Amino acid sequence: TQLLEQSPQFLSIQEGENLTVYCNSSSVFSSLQWYRQEPGEGPVLLVTVVTGGEVKKLKRLTFQFGDARKDSSLHITAAQPGDTGLYLCAGPRNEKLTFGTGTRLTIIP
Amino acid sequence: DVKVTQSSRYLVKRTGEKVFLECVQDMDHENMFWYRQDPGLGLRLIYFSYDVKMKEKGDIPEGYSVSREKKERFSLILESASTNQTSMYLCASSRTGFGKNIQYFGAGTRLSVL
Repeated sequence: TQLLEQSPQFLSIQEGENLTVYCNSSSVFSSLQWYRQEPGEGPVLLVTVVTGGEVKKLKRLTFQFGDARKDSSLHITAAQPGDTGLYLCAGPRNEKLTFGTGTRLTIIP
Repeated sequence: DVKVTQSSRYLVKRTGEKVFLECVQDMDHENMFWYRQDPGLGLRLIYFSYDVKMKEKGDIPEGYSVSREKKERFSLILESASTNQTSMYLCASSRTGFGKNIQYFGAGTRLSVL
């Protein structure tokens, strides 16, 4: 079974600070996705990274796929209260996805 | 705008009851999924359906069954609810082919079994 471990499990920081969360596996994935789940809602796809070493930016969010395609990171610059939520990484296995354990992020105004 | 709708946001049931969770998608997607979400465990796949009347067990199918009689509708059934099935249940759908791994989720059903 391919497992995706995310760290930290919980993170609470002040508005305006920077942060990085991680998604690690012992398995190689053809791609990795990042989803964000806001309270009371289902997860929503933020980005898919496909190539080893790839970096994608989505406004203040920077996603990186590891060179060996076993890990990924999400860096948020100048965090805002609207960034609060559960961040999930996910890797494909045929038609399905394996989800990580999640990082619950709280941005304090 | 894509939409996955779960019939209930909150449900409270008693131990031993038969419980139906309904999910409808309007995107003509071939694939549909049921997950349960528990703190620290992420999303765990219960069942997956890749076509009408076709289903495949996920990672934690015990105590659950599913039904997909129409393409747009996927039902999760708890034959005899137990307290350890108290959880958040999420339904998702995706297409086959290009973009197949992008899943669209409903808002979830929070089930409490007393």
